[in-house]
Amino acid sequence: EVQLVESGGGLVEPGRSLRLSCAASGFTFDEYAMHWVRQVPGKGLEWVSGISWNSVNKAYAASVKGRFTISRDNAKNSLFLQMNRLRAEDMGLYYCAKDIDVGYIYGYFDYWGQGALVTVSS
Amino acid sequence: QSVLTQPPSASGTPGQRVTISCSGSTSNIGNNFVSWYQQLPGTAPKLLIYRNDQRPSGVPDRFSGSKSGTSASLAISGLRSEEEADYYCAAWDDSLSAWVFGGGTKLTVL
Repeated sequence: EVQLVESGGGLVEPGRSLRLSCAASGFTFDEYAMHWVRQVPGKGLEWVSGISWNSVNKAYAASVKGRFTISRDNAKNSLFLQMNRLRAEDMGLYYCAKDIDVGYIYGYFDYWGQGALVTVSS
Repeated sequence: QSVLTQPPSASGTPGQRVTISCSGSTSNIGNNFVSWYQQLPGTAPKLLIYRNDQRPSGVPDRFSGSKSGTSASLAISGLRSEEEADYYCAAWDDSLSAWVFGGGTKLTVL
């Protein structure tokens, strides 16, 4: 069974940093691209970032480019999101999501975690 | 304001067929595949449709997707009460170099 478990969320002051982690199991992690998608509670979905299976290709939403960094450790079946210079508008539930097929970044998210809540406030 | 435009709400009665639209532009829906997600209250989204009209294993064939030009649609036939949820469309946007979502449609089963 595919499982994605996010951690690292919490309350942080504007301008500070936070690192999210996603522990994956139930599939061959190093074959699939992975993504972060966020959602303000009660609002819509926003894709944040994606990374290829081998970390060669990375993509970011314009709203986070230059502040957030996606990475992965295939040996530990883990995905990360380093979030720097956090803003109030970065608040939300951050989902880790698996891409649908091996190899390429397809951008179809077939499994999702339950999310890690990030609150940015002074 | 979302790059992809969806009606904020839709409704239907059990057993009915409902459709949800998603409007975009040549930089997203016009030149790329569309996917659809269902988000039940309090849960993570679930992939319903990818590559315009493909269903992942386990998704009933009552769910179908289509695309024409810069618009796409999700159809649900034989509507069930447990399908009351938020539905989102998504596509890659060539201009933004990012995946974009619609604002979501809240489906109410009357």
